[in-house]
Amino acid sequence: QKEVEQNSGPLSVPEGAIASLNCTYSDRGSQSFFWYRQYSGKSPELIMSIYSNGDKEDGRFTAQLNKASQYVSLLIRDSQPSDSATYLCAVIGSSASKIIFGSGTRLSIRP
Amino acid sequence: DTAVSQTPKYLVTQMGNDKSIKCEQNLGHDTMYWYKQDSKKFLKIMFSYNNKELIINETVPNRFSPKSPDKAHLNLHINSLELGDSAVYFCASSQDGTFEPQHFGDGTRLSIL
Repeated sequence: QKEVEQNSGPLSVPEGAIASLNCTYSDRGSQSFFWYRQYSGKSPELIMSIYSNGDKEDGRFTAQLNKASQYVSLLIRDSQPSDSATYLCAVIGSSASKIIFGSGTRLSIRP
Repeated sequence: DTAVSQTPKYLVTQMGNDKSIKCEQNLGHDTMYWYKQDSKKFLKIMFSYNNKELIINETVPNRFSPKSPDKAHLNLHINSLELGDSAVYFCASSQDGTFEPQHFGDGTRLSIL
């Protein structure tokens, strides 16, 4: 089992709809969770961080964390073509000494 | 002003050569990192330095040697380059060693012929 797993996609969502991206992790003691957005040929950019169970909202983005299920998700409301990118889930493990990235989900917003 | 800058942006070289990638941050951060992103977009941490001290050294061949002359600079030297070293290498920095938040450089695309 990979330490951080994501569906590679591509996930195709119509413009204006909600895009839902999912991530599972194996280290039950993990405490910090991040979503990065990476446009093709560019560097990763942090868009959300979440540390406790529940939802965290920032503009059109909502991160959801369920530690019991070892699951973190990212919802993007009112999807725009500019949201088309690869979304990387990242987890800091229980040792807090390193960060593990998933392989990313490619999101495509169709007009 | 660029916060985290890497040079060069592209590096094309022959197998067996030695090359270096430079990284500088002007954010005043204490911690800097090197990541490798392979062709499948898998991003993996290689090293981290906190105030010039090596903190993380993942399972990386010892052909890779990081050097931090001061806390604003973290360079990566690679000896005897192999085909499998072809990837995009990202430098990043954060205020402290908690990875939060990280600011990434634009990446160096290394291609081994």
